[in-house]
Amino acid sequence: GAGVSQSPSNKVTEKGKDVELRCDPISGHTALYWYRQSLGQGLEFLIYFQGNSAPDKSGLPSDRFSAERTGGSVSTLTIQRTQQEDSAVYLCASSRGGSYNEQFFGPGTRLTVL
Amino acid sequence: AQSVSQHNHHVILSEAASLELGCNYSYGGTVNLFWYVQYPGQHLQLLLKYFSGDPLVKGIKGFEAEFIKSKFSCNLRKPSVQWSDTAEYFCAVNEATDSWGKLQFGAGTQVVVTP
Repeated sequence: GAGVSQSPSNKVTEKGKDVELRCDPISGHTALYWYRQSLGQGLEFLIYFQGNSAPDKSGLPSDRFSAERTGGSVSTLTIQRTQQEDSAVYLCASSRGGSYNEQFFGPGTRLTVL
Repeated sequence: AQSVSQHNHHVILSEAASLELGCNYSYGGTVNLFWYVQYPGQHLQLLLKYFSGDPLVKGIKGFEAEFIKSKFSCNLRKPSVQWSDTAEYFCAVNEATDSWGKLQFGAGTQVVVTP
């Protein structure tokens, strides 16, 4: 596709439920990143994929968060047993990798946990 | 610890006024610097980037940034803003030697330009 796409655009869930957020990167981009943007805060790094492997999971806030990437393309971020503090906008970005290439961002998924 | 801080959380100015947004970072090694912008209802998009060389960098839409290595700062400027510059602006940094390119962002500055 022309850009990074994410689905759903909005997700409202009840505390304790599991949610899955999807990211479709730009075709040919080997690097994929997940960030989280909470109200009044900047973007917080969650996890990075190079191909299908995730060498850097340092930003995942708890073991309730997990992510996978298949076929070097689509990625899914899963949050189990959601808590109210998980409410945020989850952003996905892709790039050709490395520190010098621009990261292209998707529109984000706004998650609200009631 | 590595950190990125932006000086203002909220800026309001009139059309044709000049804009300057400050960003400071705390990193141990060589860094790359980026300014991203998020217009209302739109994706984050890159305004400009600095890797090395001339510390004055020109970006899109009339924006420029000055990188002052000795002060660990990178300030974004526009000489004359328009109503369409209303947006949130983010400074971001990564380590030049980091093959993963992970970005660390500042908290963002919400800029409102009044007609």
